[in-house]
This record gives sequence, C-alpha cells and structure tokens, in this order.
Amino acid sequence: NAGVMQNPRHLVRRRGQEARLRCSPMKGHSHVYWYRQLPEEGLKFMVYLQKENIIDESGMPKERFSAEFPKEGPSILRIQQVVRGDSAAYFCASSPPGLAGVGETQYFGPGTRLLVL
Amino acid sequence: AQTVTQSQPEMSVQEAETVTLSCTYDTSENNYYLFWYKQPPSRQMILVIRQEAYKQQNATENRFSVNFQKAAKSFSLKISDSQLGDTAMYFCAFMKTGTASKLTFGTGTRLQVTL
Repeated sequence: NAGVMQNPRHLVRRRGQEARLRCSPMKGHSHVYWYRQLPEEGLKFMVYLQKENIIDESGMPKERFSAEFPKEGPSILRIQQVVRGDSAAYFCASSPPGLAGVGETQYFGPGTRLLVL
Repeated sequence: AQTVTQSQPEMSVQEAETVTLSCTYDTSENNYYLFWYKQPPSRQMILVIRQEAYKQQNATENRFSVNFQKAAKSFSLKISDSQLGDTAMYFCAFMKTGTASKLTFGTGTRLQVTL
C-alpha cells in the first residue's frame, strides 16, 4: 500500500508566479489535510478536505491560497502570485474514512519544499 | 483554541541511554487525542505514538512510551535504549474529537543521539 504521495518534492518559483502542489492520499483514505512548515517552526494547519468538499479552511490565508480535492485525481494546493514569505515546506496528510475522520491517525507525505526567489 | 508547548528546544542523549521529551497542552476539551511525530533530516513526518485521552493506560510502542497525565495536561515521550537513528526533531501534537480533525503541533524538540 503506497503511502501519501506529493509532487513535486521541490518547487522554485519567482515572485508573482503561481505554485501548484499535488497530493495523492493513501489508498482508501478520503480525508486530506494540508499543513505548512516555516523554517525552524512546527507544522501549522491550513485546510481539511474530503472529496469535493472543504471541511475546514480556518488556517488558510484569505488571499492567494486555494485548495481542492476533486472526485477524481489528487488534491491540489494552489498559491497565486507567490511572495518570498510563501517559502516553506508544505505537507499533505491523509486519514481513512471514519466518523468524519474523528480521531483517525494522519499519515504524512514527504512534503513539497517551495522556494520563492 | 488549543495550544501545545514543548519547552525543550534541543536535547542530547548518548546511545543506549534513556531520554524524556516534555510536552504540555492547554484545552477545555475532555475527549481528544495526542500524538508524537518524528521528523528526521529527510524531513518526512513519521508517527511515533498515539494516545487517546479516555484511556488511562499509557501507550507504548517498542522503545517508545508516553507518560500521560491528563489532570496536569502533560504528555511526555520516553525513548529507551536510544539509537543513532532516533536523531530527529520530535513534535507533540493535539487533536480534538469532532468534525474538525486538524492537528495542532508544538514547536518541536531537536534530539541528538551521540556515540
């Protein structure tokens, strides 16, 4: 059973460009979470999605950031008009279906390191 | 809102020795889950151990065990017989029960295992 997959592993963008980060959850998992880790800090929650639904986006910046988890295909975290402060590691995690994912362990992907020049 | 505090930014332990990493949290919830994740130099996040708040028995996974003190809101991780491969950042995390199953992480403890 393959783990959570993220691509690309490294992404370099210039200021003002768009960044698209992809996450394929573990097989059988229907809950996806995105976290951001700034250098020398812990992970901070961004958004929680189920198929075709955003459940909790309380950690998402109000502008330039969006996320989706379509019926088919991976989850996408999209950052428009990137700025240097967006440079970070972005981790995706997934968990199996349960009672709305309550208490289910989250399994993390290897992360995408975004560098904005 | 929940907060998780790890008061030890860095720790060092000799191979084969035992080390304890501290974690405290603040919540008004009665039912929740606590986790320790390990982040080695590869930066992959790896689950070490998990504890359900309603269970009085402390969780154990091989050389890793926790000391869960619910009243004190304390959740420390003990690593026995430390190995060089245990060198990593260790993050304590909190998850409340309910539909918003996000993890709240502490700032981490950097553990160095030496010869």
